[in-house]
Amino acid sequence: EDKVVQSPLSLVVHEGDTVTLNCSYEVTNFRSLLWYKQEKKAPTFLFMLTSSGIEKKSGRLSSILDKKELFSILNITATQTGDSAIYLCAVTGGADGLTFGKGTHLIIQP
Amino acid sequence: DSGVTQTPKHLITATGQRVTLRCSPRSGDLSVYWYQQSLDQGLQFLIQYYNGEERAKGNILERFSAQQFPDLHSELNLSSLELGDSALYFCASNLNHETGSSYNEQFFGPGTRLTVL
Repeated sequence: EDKVVQSPLSLVVHEGDTVTLNCSYEVTNFRSLLWYKQEKKAPTFLFMLTSSGIEKKSGRLSSILDKKELFSILNITATQTGDSAIYLCAVTGGADGLTFGKGTHLIIQP
Repeated sequence: DSGVTQTPKHLITATGQRVTLRCSPRSGDLSVYWYQQSLDQGLQFLIQYYNGEERAKGNILERFSAQQFPDLHSELNLSSLELGDSALYFCASNLNHETGSSYNEQFFGPGTRLTVL
């Protein structure tokens, strides 16, 4: 059974801090790992990673995948209150549906 | 706005009842996915339809069923509802074609919040 574990479950930091969110996975026939941001509505897509060692970057957010150690990290630098959300990691493997982790609840305090 | 629409937004019903949730995918997307999100289980994949046919099944209960119509909209039917079925139900869509650029990225609708009393 495919499995995704995210850590930490919850994180509270001050505005301006840098945070690192972790995602480890076990999946048969791995194809890709995706990061989503969920505020009070639907998850919105951040990154899709398929190759090890290649950093994907979008503004203050970046992510990298390690297919040997089966994990990914999501970094957010110079955090802002608008970054407060649940960050979800998901993988695609044997089935077409996404297998999600339980998410990291990030709270940015002003 | 992802382009995926879901109705209704909220639904409150009693145990034992049956409800239908509706989803319209993004224009051009052939695949529709249904997910259930509850506080303790997180986001769980239920079922996928591709161009009208069932493609993959996840953790979907026998009391639940879905279908995708010729116009590609999809409905998720939940019957004999129990308190534990209270959750957010998301629909997502993508092109899901081997050579398509959005092969794996899925676009989520706003969700339907189901409360079973």
